[in-house]
Amino acid sequence: QVQLQESGPGLVKPSESLSLTCAVSGYSISTDYWWAWIRQPPEKGLEWIASVYYNGNTHYNPSLRSRLTTSVDTSKNQFSLTVTSMTAAETAVYYCARQPSAGAWSFDYWGQGTLVTVSS
Amino acid sequence: QSALTQPASVSGSPGQSITISCTGTSNDVGTYNLVSWYQHHPGKAPKLMIYEATKRPSGISNRFSGSKSGNTASLTIFGLQAEDEANYYCCSYTGTSLYVVFGGGTKLTVL
Repeated sequence: QVQLQESGPGLVKPSESLSLTCAVSGYSISTDYWWAWIRQPPEKGLEWIASVYYNGNTHYNPSLRSRLTTSVDTSKNQFSLTVTSMTAAETAVYYCARQPSAGAWSFDYWGQGTLVTVSS
Repeated sequence: QSALTQPASVSGSPGQSITISCTGTSNDVGTYNLVSWYQHHPGKAPKLMIYEATKRPSGISNRFSGSKSGNTASLTIFGLQAEDEANYYCCSYTGTSLYVVFGGGTKLTVL
């Protein structure tokens, strides 16, 4: 049973950075899948943030690219996201998900999400 | 404003069928069959219901069916059950550097 679990600070001050980690269980992160970050602001739709492969290959949302850093830790079977210069508008539930391939662009397993509030 | 347009809400009685539409453009839904649908019960992990417009993942009931015509994809749920009450989101590949966009979501109420 593939399971993903996000972890993060919960509260971030405006202009500071957000760092999130997604722990994967039931499946090795070092296989032919990509791993994604998706967020949902309150009362709004979903927004794709980034996708990362275990070898370091990445795809980023171009509107966020300059503020994103992703990494994969195969020894811990987890992957991470850092977003710099956070604003209040980026208050959202952040999800991690598994993406079957770079060409599939669907997400077959998701975490439950972690709420990140950007506020001073 | 989301890139894909979905109705904000739909409703139906147990046993009935409902259809949720997802309208994009010729740059996404209209060109690619890479449309997926997700069921989301608040507080839980979203669940993949349909991928590549019409395919069901293993374990998903055949009461859920996906289709596409032109720039509009649709999710039909046959024989509504109480547990189907949830939010549903569509998603499409765009062929651009944005790669993928989602709809704003549709709240399904089972009366």
